[in-house]
Amino acid sequence: RKEVEQDPGPFNVPEGATVAFNCTYSNSASQSFFWYRQDCRKEPKLLMSVYSSGNEDGRFTAQLNRASQYISLLIRDSKLSDSATYLCVVKRSGGYNKLIFGAGTRLAVHP
Amino acid sequence: SAVISQKPSRDICQRGTSLTIQCQVDSQVTMMFWYRQQPGQSLTLIATANQGSEATYESGFVIDKFPISRPNLTFSTLTVSNMSPEDSSIYLCSWGTGLDAFFGQGTRLTVV
Repeated sequence: RKEVEQDPGPFNVPEGATVAFNCTYSNSASQSFFWYRQDCRKEPKLLMSVYSSGNEDGRFTAQLNRASQYISLLIRDSKLSDSATYLCVVKRSGGYNKLIFGAGTRLAVHP
Repeated sequence: SAVISQKPSRDICQRGTSLTIQCQVDSQVTMMFWYRQQPGQSLTLIATANQGSEATYESGFVIDKFPISRPNLTFSTLTVSNMSPEDSSIYLCSWGTGLDAFFGQGTRLTVV
């Protein structure tokens, strides 16, 4: 079993739609959680960190459920520019920034 | 945040040869990381590069195949040795704070 699992998609949605991505992780000692965005043929870039209390950044809302070892990302009012692969990322406990990446969920927003 | 420059951006190499990928950071960073991203897959950590000591390799990766140098706090290299078509992949360097990771632009390697 992979340490971080995501639905690979693709999710094909119209502009303006709301879409939700889910992610589960297996290591209960994981301490930090992130969503990264990767555009085609580009490097990953941080979209947002994920906190137990949930956090929102404009149209994006991230939630963490430690008991269920589950992370989600909600995108409201999808834009064409949201089309990308969204990577669920978990930081292992330890002294440095060792990140474990999910395989990513591909989102395609169409007009 | 520090900016990473990675080169080459892409290369096509003959099997059995080696390729060295370079990453330059524009400020000093303690840890640098090397990842591989195979076609259609996510990123897999190859090793962590520390200045002044040997790199720490993840399970499935060995120093003879992926030697790493870290001569100072702004530079690192990864060599892919004795390449085979299975090494065709994107290789990315990275550095991070406790809250974020920043990546180079990646090296797209094709082994023929």
